[in-house]
Amino acid sequence: DVKVTQSSRYLVKRTGEKVFLECVQDMDHENMFWYRQDPGLGLRLIYFSYDVKMKEKGDIPEGYSVSREKKERFSLILESASTNQTSMYLCASTGAYEQYFGPGTRLTVT
Amino acid sequence: DQQVKQNSPSLSVQEGRISILNCDYTNSMFDYFLWYKKYPAEGPTFLISISSIKDKNEDGRFTVFLNKSAKHLSLHIVPSQPGDSAVYFCAASAHGQNFVFGPGTRLSVLP
Repeated sequence: DVKVTQSSRYLVKRTGEKVFLECVQDMDHENMFWYRQDPGLGLRLIYFSYDVKMKEKGDIPEGYSVSREKKERFSLILESASTNQTSMYLCASTGAYEQYFGPGTRLTVT
Repeated sequence: DQQVKQNSPSLSVQEGRISILNCDYTNSMFDYFLWYKKYPAEGPTFLISISSIKDKNEDGRFTVFLNKSAKHLSLHIVPSQPGDSAVYFCAASAHGQNFVFGPGTRLSVLP
């Protein structure tokens, strides 16, 4: 079974803090993704990576950066958290034709 | 502009009846479509998919229909069960590129 794990299920941070969200997959997938999910907006792609040290902007990259130092690990970084980044963050890796998602991290920025 | 639309934010169905969830897309390059199911506080899980070379795919209680000319697909769940209550996302991709997700439909199956 494919496993995608995320470092935290729930996180509360203050405005201006630097936030790291970690994602690890155990299926040797090359492609990994970070989404945020907001009510009525579905899943929106923040960043993705096709290989180690490679990253591509998704639809809403502003305020975020990513790091892919190892194939199995893809990190999302909020350089200076803001209240509009309060959301559910979902990491995914892609197999042949489907995406496997982690359980999500619900981030609240106060 | 949303490329994948799910115009019903919510749907309520009686247990045992059919649930029909709809999805429309605008990009004619999309050639692969998936449905995901999401429970609260969990990540989406893959449900069923269909390639554009087919117009129907069935897996147990779940059937997906694709109408390419109308750029429309639907997910049928028969019979609906209370455990099917979740948010359902439609997703599409073109030539194996990134998936584009719809906003989701919250299905409630009433006992």
